[in-house]
Amino acid sequence: DIQMTQSPSSHSASVGDRVTITCQASQDIAKSLNWYQHKSFKAPKLLIRDASRLDSGVPSRFRGGGSETNFTFTITSLQPEDFATYYCQQYGALPLTFGGGTKVDVK
Amino acid sequence: QLQVVQSGSEVTKPGSSVRISCTASGNTFTNYAVNWVRQAPGQGLEWMGAVIPIFPLTRYEESFKDRVLIHADESVNTAYMELTDLTSEDTAIYFCAMGDWGGEMAMPTTFEFWGQGTVVSVTS
Repeated sequence: DIQMTQSPSSHSASVGDRVTITCQASQDIAKSLNWYQHKSFKAPKLLIRDASRLDSGVPSRFRGGGSETNFTFTITSLQPEDFATYYCQQYGALPLTFGGGTKVDVK
Repeated sequence: QLQVVQSGSEVTKPGSSVRISCTASGNTFTNYAVNWVRQAPGQGLEWMGAVIPIFPLTRYEESFKDRVLIHADESVNTAYMELTDLTSEDTAIYFCAMGDWGGEMAMPTTFEFWGQGTVVSVTS
């Protein structure tokens, strides 16, 4: 199985901050990576697909990059509605696997 | 735009089984892969398996393979996930998530349209 190592596991930030999360794959997955936002008691939401493509309707402050084994996810200016847990997910090979998540909370 | 609605919460005993349904509306059901993802208390997201109704074809995560059955009924735009031999470790929120599939292996790729989640509590 492809292991996804996501860091940090938590990050305290203020509105307006730039937040960066990294995800490392245990093997080359090209750009087969998605990013999701998950708020408690709600369904996760797809933000970025194929490592860097913003899903429809997702604000441009969310950005994704990287390829092969190293990926980044950035919120360029954190908004109040962005406090949540973020997950990377690979589809380079079955089984589909997620990173451990990064909880972004209020500093 | 696809809307996805899951069946309601379940409270069940160890050793029993649970079946959760996932009904889609607003678009053609068979064009998507229907995945099942769960989140145990305090844990992250875990993919369990998927069905691609157009074939139909199923894919399972190895650790669930002996206990899970995922299938779809195209006539009612509904997919089902049945999990057997439940233990307390199966207590979780179970999501169905529909999305793209691709490649030579007809592999699910993306979780785009999510159900609201179904809470399953396994307790004696």
